[in-house]
Amino acid sequence: SQKIEQNSEALNIQEGKTATLTCNYTNYSPAYLQWYRQDPGRGPVFLLLIRENEKEKRKERLKVTFDTTLKQSLFHITASQPADSATYLCALYSWGKLQFGAGTQVVVTP
Amino acid sequence: DAMVIQNPRYQVTQFGKPVTLSCSQTLNHNVMYWYQQKSSQAPKLLFHYYDKDFNNEADTPDNFQSRRPNTSFCFLDIRSPGLGDAAMYLCATSRTSSVTDTQYFGPGTRLTVL
Repeated sequence: SQKIEQNSEALNIQEGKTATLTCNYTNYSPAYLQWYRQDPGRGPVFLLLIRENEKEKRKERLKVTFDTTLKQSLFHITASQPADSATYLCALYSWGKLQFGAGTQVVVTP
Repeated sequence: DAMVIQNPRYQVTQFGKPVTLSCSQTLNHNVMYWYQQKSSQAPKLLFHYYDKDFNNEADTPDNFQSRRPNTSFCFLDIRSPGLGDAAMYLCATSRTSSVTDTQYFGPGTRLTVL
């Protein structure tokens, strides 16, 4: 069966450090992968989309990599700030719909 | 600002008492989605509309229905809520159903079933 796996344990990180999140998937062959941010009690907000032929995508302090051989995407937040504290979800398209991982919570402490 | 609005933000209902959640959008997007998200879980797609065309997910319970009377509004009806239906319900929109089109989410409605 298809699975999208993200680390369920919260990532606690000190302000200024780089946070790295992992999204692993099985039984998908996605051409695109997306990352969303979700704050408590709010809907997800789109951050980045990366195509299978793009190894890396950047947006301000965010960087995403996509390795279709490893079936993995890495999401990096550089120079993290307390305002980056949230849950980050990866999402893949399959059978005409967007399928989400459960997300990883990031907590950035001053 | 163009946006996706959900009402109410919090809804409490009794076991078996029908409830309707609403979603409106000012983005003029063609596609509207309803997701169910339980605590610490991934959002799960219930159904979506492309314009007036309704698309139900195979594993969405019959207890859940939806209406889209016009482009701007979409409703989620839960005919007989059970305790297991307590969740956050998220409405989202996208311009088309293309894989490259971003989905824009509303703030969600937190449903409590007593």
